[in-house]
Amino acid sequence: DVKVTQSSRYLVKRTGEKVFLECVQDMDHENMFWYRQDPGLGLRLIYFSYDVKMKEKGDIPEGYSVSREKKERFSLILESASTNQTSMYLCASRDPQGYEQYFGPGTRLTVT
Amino acid sequence: AQKITQTQPGMFVQEKEAVTLDCTYDTSDPSYGLFWYKQPSSGEMIFLIYQGSYDQQNATEGRYSLNFQKARKSANLVISASQLGDSAMYFCAMRESGSSASKIIFGSGTRLSIRP
Repeated sequence: DVKVTQSSRYLVKRTGEKVFLECVQDMDHENMFWYRQDPGLGLRLIYFSYDVKMKEKGDIPEGYSVSREKKERFSLILESASTNQTSMYLCASRDPQGYEQYFGPGTRLTVT
Repeated sequence: AQKITQTQPGMFVQEKEAVTLDCTYDTSDPSYGLFWYKQPSSGEMIFLIYQGSYDQQNATEGRYSLNFQKARKSANLVISASQLGDSAMYFCAMRESGSSASKIIFGSGTRLSIRP
């Protein structure tokens, strides 16, 4: 069974703080993704990585950065959190030879 | 640029009835894949069904089927004999090409509520 875990289910941070969201997958998948989910907007891709140390911007990368030092771990970084980054963040991984994306449980981030 | 459109923000359906959730897409890539995911109130994303652009037949998985109309760029999800547990958000998604670096984009979702 593929497992994608995220470091926190709920997180509350203050404006201006640096925030790290961690994602770990245990299936040796090369591709990993970070999305944010907002009501009425669906899931929007922030960044994705197709291999260690490789990353590409998604549709809404502004205000975010990512790190992939090891294959199993993909981190999303909010350098200076702002209230408009309050959202649900979902991590996913995929075997490039397959088609299904496996999602983590999500982190609901509130920035006050 | 690729785009997924779900025009039904919410739907109410009587239990045991069939339901169709609409999805249209836009892409210039001849090779693509289409997905449906279910998200219950607990938040996890559950993969339901996949259709490849070159697949000749509509995909089916149990009570789920994907009504793929390529010329109309439509990929509607059909749920037969709906159950109370089908109440959830449903997302249509698309991936262009078969490259390892290809990304999946999602529509805005449809909230389905099943009435007893």
